[in-house]
Amino acid sequence: GENVEQHPSTLSVQEGDSAVIKCTYSDSASNYFPWYKQELGKGPQLIIDIRSNVGEKKDQRIAVTLNKTAKHFSLHITETQPEDSAVYFCAASIVLNNDMRFGAGTRLTVKP
Amino acid sequence: DVKVTQSSRYLVKRTGEKVFLECVQDMDHENMFWYRQDPGLGLRLIYFSYDVKMKEKGDIPEGYSVSREKKERFSLILESASTNQTSMYLCASTEGAGGYTFGSGTRLTVV
Repeated sequence: GENVEQHPSTLSVQEGDSAVIKCTYSDSASNYFPWYKQELGKGPQLIIDIRSNVGEKKDQRIAVTLNKTAKHFSLHITETQPEDSAVYFCAASIVLNNDMRFGAGTRLTVKP
Repeated sequence: DVKVTQSSRYLVKRTGEKVFLECVQDMDHENMFWYRQDPGLGLRLIYFSYDVKMKEKGDIPEGYSVSREKKERFSLILESASTNQTSMYLCASTEGAGGYTFGSGTRLTVV
């Protein structure tokens, strides 16, 4: 089955700096890669996703890149703000298979 | 917005009790999931359901069962709670082709 590894487990940046979180996956059949943000006391919330037919996707300060050959994908947050502080999870799945696998999470802290 | 509602935010139960965790979604999603979240382990799938009365085991089903009598409701049952089931439990739903919508979670403590 699919195995997703996520690094780093913790990340601390200064406000305004960029943050990058990386994930690798094992199953070359995976074709859907979402990222979730979990704030304290809340459930994970989908913030951006990418499908395997696209190499990069951007939404304001957030971008995700996908390298299918190397089987890794990354989340990039630019101009970080204190409200970006949260735990971020990557995931990989085959669409419609109900088999989404999650990374272990990255705790991002943005220091004002 | 899709809403996934978990009935309890915090629960404290005694060892050996039968525990019910309830989850309701309001967007007519076919697929519903129960995950367990533990520090350093991420989210681990316990059970999922792709239709009423249908269920499939996830990665860690031991000690748990589920019930889906209605499309909008998916219940997780701990048959005889144990201390190693102390955890955050997350319910999610999806139409199938995209990301999941999660509830706010139930933090269960078994004493």
